[in-house]
Amino acid sequence: DSGVTQTPKHLITATGQRVTLRCSPRSGDLSVYWYQQSLDQGLQFLIQYYNGEERAKGNILERFSAQQFPDLHSELNLSSLELGDSALYFCASNPRGSHEQFFGPGTRLTVL
Amino acid sequence: GQNIDQPTEMTATEGAIVQINCTYQTSGFNGLFWYQQHAGEAPTFLSYNVLDGLEEKGRFSSFLSRSKGYSYLLLKELQMKDSASYLCADYNQAGTALIFGKGTTLSVSS
Repeated sequence: DSGVTQTPKHLITATGQRVTLRCSPRSGDLSVYWYQQSLDQGLQFLIQYYNGEERAKGNILERFSAQQFPDLHSELNLSSLELGDSALYFCASNPRGSHEQFFGPGTRLTVL
Repeated sequence: GQNIDQPTEMTATEGAIVQINCTYQTSGFNGLFWYQQHAGEAPTFLSYNVLDGLEEKGRFSSFLSRSKGYSYLLLKELQMKDSASYLCADYNQAGTALIFGKGTTLSVSS
């Protein structure tokens, strides 16, 4: 158990819908990273937040957005879902000054 | 760094030694990572190298050559539970995000 929690574990929805994925970092960690992992693309960095502020952006689509709240939990919002959005979505956190990222168990999203 | 390249698949037998190679672009290098990921599970951190040389951690060792843009992960005394995907990653040029390779799927047989 990495100490990073994610909910829900599984999510099945239809094309065109909107979903919210939730992540709580390890106690004391200020950073949250979001990743998408699909079979053909591998593990892709989406976005990073640090203490409530956006810090870095990767290959995140305009249909996707995220935020980090004052209690440091983060939400990833995916809208106008397409079949190709089906993937495992991971969040990770790391202690300040450490390069080691701890990953949550992931949310498996299936878009039908 | 980006453009990480690693073999797609490797096979080995229990008790053997296997070396998984990774090459990356050297511009803007800020460190090289190895993660292990079992199917359907979260990646777990194995190593981080920022200086040249070999770092040993139990049965696993990681090597880095910055001038060659090359790293390898060495797994000794292989066990069945080592069957997993091994992901090589480096930082983007800003040093703010990890860029992962597509991973090497290692299958260990008895």
